[in-house]
Amino acid sequence: SAVISQKPSRDICQRGTSLTIQCQVDSQVTMMFWYRQQPGQSLTLIATANQGSEATYESGFVIDKFPISRPNLTFSTLTVSNMSPEDSSIYLCSVGGPNSNQPQHFGDGTRLSIL
Amino acid sequence: GDSVTQMEGPVTLSEEAFLTINCTYTATGYPSLFWYVQYPGEGLQLLLKATKADDKGSNKGFEATYRKETTSFHLEKGSVQVSDSAVYFCPTRYSGAGSYQLTFGKGTKLSVIP
Repeated sequence: SAVISQKPSRDICQRGTSLTIQCQVDSQVTMMFWYRQQPGQSLTLIATANQGSEATYESGFVIDKFPISRPNLTFSTLTVSNMSPEDSSIYLCSVGGPNSNQPQHFGDGTRLSIL
Repeated sequence: GDSVTQMEGPVTLSEEAFLTINCTYTATGYPSLFWYVQYPGEGLQLLLKATKADDKGSNKGFEATYRKETTSFHLEKGSVQVSDSAVYFCPTRYSGAGSYQLTFGKGTKLSVIP
Protein backbone atom coordinates (compact mmCIF):
# COMPACT_ATOMS: atom_id res chain seq x y z
CA SER A 1 0.00 0.00 0.00
CA ALA A 2 1.02 3.63 -0.49
CA VAL A 3 3.13 5.40 2.11
CA ILE A 4 1.58 8.72 3.05
CA SER A 5 3.47 11.48 4.85
CA GLN A 6 1.71 14.44 6.40
CA LYS A 7 3.32 17.63 7.62
CA PRO A 8 3.18 19.03 10.18
CA SER A 9 2.30 16.19 12.51
CA ARG A 10 0.94 18.69 15.04
CA ASP A 11 0.72 22.41 15.58
CA ILE A 12 -0.65 24.97 17.97
CA CYS A 13 -1.94 28.09 16.29
CA GLN A 14 -3.45 31.41 17.20
CA ARG A 15 -7.02 32.16 16.24
CA GLY A 16 -7.41 34.10 13.03
CA THR A 17 -4.32 32.59 11.44
CA SER A 18 -4.12 29.98 8.67
CA LEU A 19 -2.20 26.75 8.42
CA THR A 20 -1.35 24.68 5.37
CA ILE A 21 -1.08 20.92 5.78
CA GLN A 22 0.91 18.92 3.26
CA CYS A 23 0.26 15.37 2.13
CA GLN A 24 2.94 13.51 0.16
CA VAL A 25 2.45 10.02 -1.30
CA ASP A 26 5.24 7.73 -2.43
CA SER A 27 3.38 6.69 -5.59
CA GLN A 28 0.99 8.24 -8.06
CA VAL A 29 -2.61 8.03 -6.95
CA THR A 30 -5.84 9.01 -8.60
CA MET A 31 -7.81 10.22 -5.66
CA MET A 32 -6.84 12.02 -2.49
CA PHE A 33 -9.21 12.81 0.33
CA TRP A 34 -9.12 15.14 3.30
CA TYR A 35 -10.95 14.21 6.52
CA ARG A 36 -11.49 15.94 9.83
CA GLN A 37 -11.66 14.06 13.10
CA GLN A 38 -12.88 16.21 15.96
CA PRO A 39 -11.81 15.21 19.48
CA GLY A 40 -13.25 11.83 20.40
CA GLN A 41 -15.32 11.72 17.22
CA SER A 42 -15.44 9.85 13.97
CA LEU A 43 -14.10 11.00 10.62
CA THR A 44 -15.92 13.45 8.40
CA LEU A 45 -14.94 13.91 4.78
CA ILE A 46 -14.03 17.50 3.94
CA ALA A 47 -13.31 17.15 0.24
CA THR A 48 -12.05 14.93 -2.56
CA ALA A 49 -9.04 16.22 -4.48
CA ASN A 50 -8.30 14.95 -7.96
CA GLN A 51 -5.35 16.16 -9.96
CA GLY A 52 -6.29 18.59 -12.69
CA SER A 53 -9.70 19.52 -11.37
CA GLU A 54 -11.25 21.55 -8.61
CA ALA A 55 -11.70 19.80 -5.29
CA THR A 56 -15.20 18.55 -4.51
CA TYR A 57 -16.39 19.69 -1.09
CA GLU A 58 -18.89 17.93 1.14
CA SER A 59 -21.86 19.61 2.67
CA GLY A 60 -20.80 21.98 5.43
CA PHE A 61 -17.33 22.62 4.06
CA VAL A 62 -16.44 25.50 1.73
CA ILE A 63 -13.44 26.38 -0.37
CA ASP A 64 -12.89 29.74 1.31
CA LYS A 65 -12.39 28.03 4.66
CA PHE A 66 -10.57 24.92 3.43
CA PRO A 67 -8.78 25.65 0.15
CA ILE A 68 -7.13 22.59 -1.36
CA SER A 69 -4.44 22.20 -3.97
CA ARG A 70 -3.58 19.10 -5.97
CA PRO A 71 -0.74 20.05 -8.29
CA ASN A 72 0.29 16.50 -9.22
CA LEU A 73 -0.49 12.84 -8.61
CA THR A 74 1.63 12.54 -5.46
CA PHE A 75 0.93 15.72 -3.50
CA SER A 76 -1.90 17.77 -2.02
CA THR A 77 -2.31 20.55 0.51
CA LEU A 78 -5.20 21.55 2.74
CA THR A 79 -5.29 25.03 4.24
CA VAL A 80 -7.36 25.75 7.31
CA SER A 81 -8.11 29.46 7.08
CA ASN A 82 -8.98 32.05 9.68
CA MET A 83 -8.85 29.45 12.41
CA SER A 84 -11.02 29.41 15.52
CA PRO A 85 -10.97 27.02 18.49
CA GLU A 86 -13.73 25.00 16.80
CA ASP A 87 -11.18 24.02 14.13
CA SER A 88 -9.14 22.11 16.70
CA SER A 89 -9.13 18.61 15.24
CA ILE A 90 -7.06 15.96 13.60
CA TYR A 91 -6.88 16.44 9.85
CA LEU A 92 -6.17 13.31 7.85
CA CYS A 93 -5.15 12.78 4.28
CA SER A 94 -6.04 9.55 2.56
CA VAL A 95 -5.57 8.06 -0.88
CA GLY A 96 -7.52 5.51 -2.81
CA GLY A 97 -8.67 4.29 -6.18
CA PRO A 98 -12.00 4.92 -7.86
CA ASN A 99 -13.38 1.42 -7.35
CA SER A 100 -15.53 0.75 -4.32
CA ASN A 101 -13.62 -2.40 -3.40
CA GLN A 102 -10.37 -0.47 -3.08
CA PRO A 103 -9.58 0.60 0.47
CA GLN A 104 -8.33 4.05 1.34
CA HIS A 105 -4.99 4.41 3.06
CA PHE A 106 -4.43 7.13 5.60
CA GLY A 107 -1.59 9.30 6.74
CA ASP A 108 -0.88 9.72 10.44
CA GLY A 109 -2.78 12.97 10.57
CA THR A 110 -2.09 16.54 11.68
CA ARG A 111 -3.16 17.35 15.23
CA LEU A 112 -4.19 20.98 15.28
CA SER A 113 -4.97 23.02 18.37
CA ILE A 114 -6.23 26.59 18.16
CA LEU A 115 -5.74 28.92 21.11
CA GLY B 1 -28.31 8.17 3.00
CA ASP B 2 -25.80 5.52 3.94
CA SER B 3 -24.98 5.11 7.60
CA VAL B 4 -22.97 2.90 9.92
CA THR B 5 -23.85 1.99 13.48
CA GLN B 6 -21.16 0.63 15.75
CA MET B 7 -21.26 -0.85 19.18
CA GLU B 8 -21.02 1.80 21.86
CA GLY B 9 -17.72 2.02 23.59
CA PRO B 10 -15.56 2.00 25.47
CA VAL B 11 -15.18 -1.75 25.59
CA THR B 12 -12.87 -3.06 28.31
CA LEU B 13 -11.62 -6.63 28.19
CA SER B 14 -9.04 -8.67 30.00
CA GLU B 15 -6.12 -10.04 28.03
CA GLU B 16 -6.95 -13.28 26.17
CA ALA B 17 -10.68 -12.58 26.25
CA PHE B 18 -12.87 -13.03 23.16
CA LEU B 19 -13.69 -9.83 21.30
CA THR B 20 -16.77 -8.92 19.31
CA ILE B 21 -17.40 -5.40 18.06
CA ASN B 22 -20.76 -5.08 16.35
CA CYS B 23 -21.18 -3.10 13.16
CA THR B 24 -24.33 -2.73 11.08
CA TYR B 25 -24.91 -0.56 8.06
CA THR B 26 -27.63 0.85 5.87
CA ALA B 27 -26.71 1.39 2.28
CA THR B 28 -28.09 1.55 -1.19
CA GLY B 29 -26.83 -1.35 -3.21
CA TYR B 30 -23.96 -3.50 -2.07
CA PRO B 31 -21.19 -1.56 -0.42
CA SER B 32 -17.69 -2.71 0.28
CA LEU B 33 -17.02 -3.05 3.99
CA PHE B 34 -13.84 -2.31 5.90
CA TRP B 35 -12.41 -2.37 9.40
CA TYR B 36 -9.77 0.19 10.32
CA VAL B 37 -7.84 0.50 13.57
CA GLN B 38 -6.52 3.75 15.03
CA TYR B 39 -3.84 3.38 17.67
CA PRO B 40 -3.30 6.30 20.05
CA GLY B 41 -1.69 9.25 18.29
CA GLU B 42 -1.73 7.60 14.89
CA GLY B 43 -3.76 7.61 11.69
CA LEU B 44 -6.07 4.85 10.54
CA GLN B 45 -4.71 1.51 9.40
CA LEU B 46 -6.66 -0.89 7.27
CA LEU B 47 -7.31 -4.05 9.23
CA LEU B 48 -9.43 -6.08 6.83
CA LYS B 49 -12.05 -5.77 4.13
CA ALA B 50 -14.88 -7.64 2.38
CA THR B 51 -16.39 -6.68 -0.92
CA LYS B 52 -19.33 -9.02 -1.41
CA ALA B 53 -21.81 -11.08 0.55
CA ASP B 54 -20.35 -13.95 2.60
CA ASP B 55 -16.79 -12.72 2.08
CA LYS B 56 -14.66 -13.13 5.18
CA GLY B 57 -11.87 -10.69 5.80
CA SER B 58 -9.09 -11.65 8.19
CA ASN B 59 -5.83 -10.19 9.44
CA LYS B 60 -3.71 -10.39 12.59
CA GLY B 61 -6.19 -12.77 14.22
CA PHE B 62 -9.17 -10.51 13.52
CA GLU B 63 -12.06 -11.69 11.36
CA ALA B 64 -15.27 -10.25 10.00
CA THR B 65 -17.87 -11.74 7.65
CA TYR B 66 -20.03 -9.71 5.24
CA ARG B 67 -23.60 -10.65 6.20
CA LYS B 68 -25.93 -9.23 3.60
CA GLU B 69 -29.08 -10.66 5.22
CA THR B 70 -28.40 -8.83 8.49
CA THR B 71 -26.43 -5.94 6.94
CA SER B 72 -23.67 -6.57 9.44
CA PHE B 73 -19.90 -6.86 9.53
CA HIS B 74 -19.02 -7.71 13.12
CA LEU B 75 -15.35 -7.83 14.10
CA GLU B 76 -14.10 -10.79 16.15
CA LYS B 77 -10.87 -11.94 17.68
CA GLY B 78 -10.43 -15.07 19.72
CA SER B 79 -7.85 -13.77 22.19
CA VAL B 80 -7.10 -10.07 22.56
CA GLN B 81 -3.80 -8.60 23.67
CA VAL B 82 -2.97 -5.35 25.41
CA SER B 83 -1.51 -4.14 22.12
CA ASP B 84 -4.99 -4.37 20.54
CA SER B 85 -6.09 -1.37 22.61
CA ALA B 86 -7.21 1.17 20.01
CA VAL B 87 -10.25 2.68 18.35
CA TYR B 88 -11.90 0.54 15.68
CA PHE B 89 -13.93 1.87 12.75
CA CYS B 90 -16.04 -0.04 10.21
CA PRO B 91 -16.73 2.30 7.29
CA THR B 92 -18.61 1.36 4.18
CA ARG B 93 -17.99 2.39 0.63
CA TYR B 94 -20.95 2.50 -1.70
CA SER B 95 -20.62 0.72 -4.98
CA GLY B 96 -22.43 3.28 -7.11
CA ALA B 97 -20.78 5.28 -9.83
CA GLY B 98 -19.20 8.50 -8.69
CA SER B 99 -19.30 7.58 -5.04
CA TYR B 100 -15.86 7.59 -3.53
CA GLN B 101 -16.13 8.41 0.10
CA LEU B 102 -16.03 6.16 3.09
CA THR B 103 -19.00 6.46 5.44
CA PHE B 104 -17.84 6.14 9.03
CA GLY B 105 -19.59 5.24 12.24
CA LYS B 106 -18.59 6.69 15.58
CA GLY B 107 -15.85 4.17 16.25
CA THR B 108 -15.48 1.79 19.16
CA LYS B 109 -12.72 2.26 21.69
CA LEU B 110 -11.23 -0.97 22.99
CA SER B 111 -9.13 -1.16 26.13
CA VAL B 112 -7.43 -4.45 26.98
CA ILE B 113 -6.10 -4.78 30.50
CA PRO B 114 -3.41 -7.25 31.61
